[in-house]
Amino acid sequence: DTGVSQDPRHKITKRGQNVTFRCDPISEHNRLYWYRQTLGQGPEFLTYFQNEAQLEKSRLLSDRFSAERPKGSFSTLEIQRTEQGDSAMYLCASSRGTSGGAGNEQFFGPGTRLTVL
Amino acid sequence: AQSVAQPEDQVNVAEGNPLTVKCTYSVSGNPYLFWYVQYPNRGLQFLLKYITGDNLVKGSYGFEAEFNKSQTSFHLKKPSALVSDSALYFCAVIGDTGRRALTFGSGTRLQVQP
Repeated sequence: DTGVSQDPRHKITKRGQNVTFRCDPISEHNRLYWYRQTLGQGPEFLTYFQNEAQLEKSRLLSDRFSAERPKGSFSTLEIQRTEQGDSAMYLCASSRGTSGGAGNEQFFGPGTRLTVL
Repeated sequence: AQSVAQPEDQVNVAEGNPLTVKCTYSVSGNPYLFWYVQYPNRGLQFLLKYITGDNLVKGSYGFEAEFNKSQTSFHLKKPSALVSDSALYFCAVIGDTGRRALTFGSGTRLQVQP
């Protein structure tokens, strides 16, 4: 179990630029989640994949945000035309997906901290 | 809709004393409840979960949590706090119907004084 990895760990960008983050889940996990965490708050759900299928998206995920998991392994989260309000920690998590698997714990990566200037 | 309340922003306790971090929840259907801990500059680490069965669940690092269905609570406890337990603790819930993503509380900072 090598854990969930995320790249980059930090990203500083100027308002209006596009950014892309990568998440590599634990290899045997078929569920992958993206969350956003701002200072002093708990993580907020953005989107969720089971294998390559994006099954759920939060209303927080505006049309400037897009996520993919093309081969059911790693995932990317892209933010277009970044705004200062996008500054946050973006967390990726993965879990086993089994029948009734909502009870399977999610394992989190270290996060990507985005700063939009 | 799912929601979690952690009513205390911070809990202070002396080393060696018992600690409790409070959590209440609201969810459709039966709840799956989780506690995570976050240390500075590190990701969230899973501590324990309640799915079904015994209302007292035991987890990592000597932590335990008590599920109370009538009070819709899932308080985190430890009999004897360590300075190294100082961190940010998050309670989270998923209902057994509907969404498959965790809903987190706002977090409680635990400060253990030597």
